[in-house]
Amino acid sequence: QQQVKQSPQSLIVQKGGISIINCAYENTAFDYFPWYQQFPGKGPALLIAIRPDVSEKKEGRFTISFNKSAKQFSLHIMDSQPGDSATYFCAAPISGGYNKLIFGAGTRLAVHP
Amino acid sequence: EADIYQTPRYLVIGTGKKITLECSQTMGHDKMYWYQQDPGMELHLIHYSYGVNSTEKGDLSSESTVSRIRTEHFPLTLESARPSHTSQYLCASSESVGHTIYFGEGSWLTVV
Repeated sequence: QQQVKQSPQSLIVQKGGISIINCAYENTAFDYFPWYQQFPGKGPALLIAIRPDVSEKKEGRFTISFNKSAKQFSLHIMDSQPGDSATYFCAAPISGGYNKLIFGAGTRLAVHP
Repeated sequence: EADIYQTPRYLVIGTGKKITLECSQTMGHDKMYWYQQDPGMELHLIHYSYGVNSTEKGDLSSESTVSRIRTEHFPLTLESARPSHTSQYLCASSESVGHTIYFGEGSWLTVV
């Protein structure tokens, strides 16, 4: 069963545009929602994370927006650059007898010059 | 930069061979994980460990086994490799579940 649903699967954005990736989750063990970025041939690396005592967190061009009542969170990349082209994964700590992060299916972002 | 290392990075082996993928981290993390990922696809947790002598199977059934005899070392073993095992295997570690997971660069396994 898919406990973290991520969309879209792929995204094409022009340079300077806004990239938006969405995630929806089911029940969580606690509130911690990270986004990971993966370049080809590399392991994923933490991009930005939010602990929702706030509804939004911004780091440079990257922003996480969180809607607890809807159980959704999203990643916004402002002024998207070709160097942002990568696969992005959201994750959530799903409850179920033990705590661990469950990753979404990933979004392949391509930023065209 | 994450201090988590995987060897080998690339491996091509014949069907029926036994292989061990090595993973070491120098951060002193208790939590370690193995994920399986086909190119550009989602990450599937196949094994995790919360500390020495603690190992559990993940969400994706895997014929591989793991051991955790030392905090820094979490090797994955396939007793008899098959072509269906061809994939990328990513090792990771974290201080705890609510903290950053650090990934290694992955081991690409091809079974012919």
